[in-house]
Amino acid sequence: KNEVEQSPQNLTAQEGEFITINCSYSVGISALHWLQQHPGGGIVSLFMLSSGKKKHGRLIATINIQEKHSSLHITASHPRDSAVYICAVMEGAQKLVFGQGTRLTINP
Amino acid sequence: AAGVIQSPRHLIKEKRETATLKCYPIPRHDTVYWYQQGPGQDPQFLISFYEKMQSDKGSIPDRFSAQQFSDYHSELNMSSLELGDSALYFCASSSILRGSYEQYFGPGTRLTVT
Repeated sequence: KNEVEQSPQNLTAQEGEFITINCSYSVGISALHWLQQHPGGGIVSLFMLSSGKKKHGRLIATINIQEKHSSLHITASHPRDSAVYICAVMEGAQKLVFGQGTRLTINP
Repeated sequence: AAGVIQSPRHLIKEKRETATLKCYPIPRHDTVYWYQQGPGQDPQFLISFYEKMQSDKGSIPDRFSAQQFSDYHSELNMSSLELGDSALYFCASSSILRGSYEQYFGPGTRLTVT
């Protein structure tokens, strides 16, 4: 069993829909990252959080430390949101352990 | 704002050759991380450096070595390249000394071994 599990692995939705991607982890962590990877390969850090909730534009990330679960929400989704979204947990102050990613496709 | 710089962006090598990948962290960042992402796979942690000292080691083959220099840039040296080394290699940086653990990623170096 992977240390970091994401669901769903693939998600297709229509423009404007509310999107939720889930991440569960089995290890103790100091923080959790949500990352976005576009087809060209580059990785962009969306959020790093260790408790509660963060919001940036149409993106919202929440984490429940007790339940070892985090969610990434996208409101009013747009085709440009199409990408792979990766949950990665930080063990200590060092390495990230990555989930397998969720491939999101938003159709116009 | 300055970001993490990686060079080269693309590299083609033959089996058994050597390759050197470079990473220039965000100014005033003291920690560098290297990750390898094979085709269709999750990124895997290779190695990290804090203040020019190796701080953590992951699944890095013995054929690979890395270091962080006095100007905080880092180089990943890969020898006796194998076909399986073909991957996207990411560098990330953070500022642990300032208590900022968020990792900022470079654009990656795509290595193809033929």
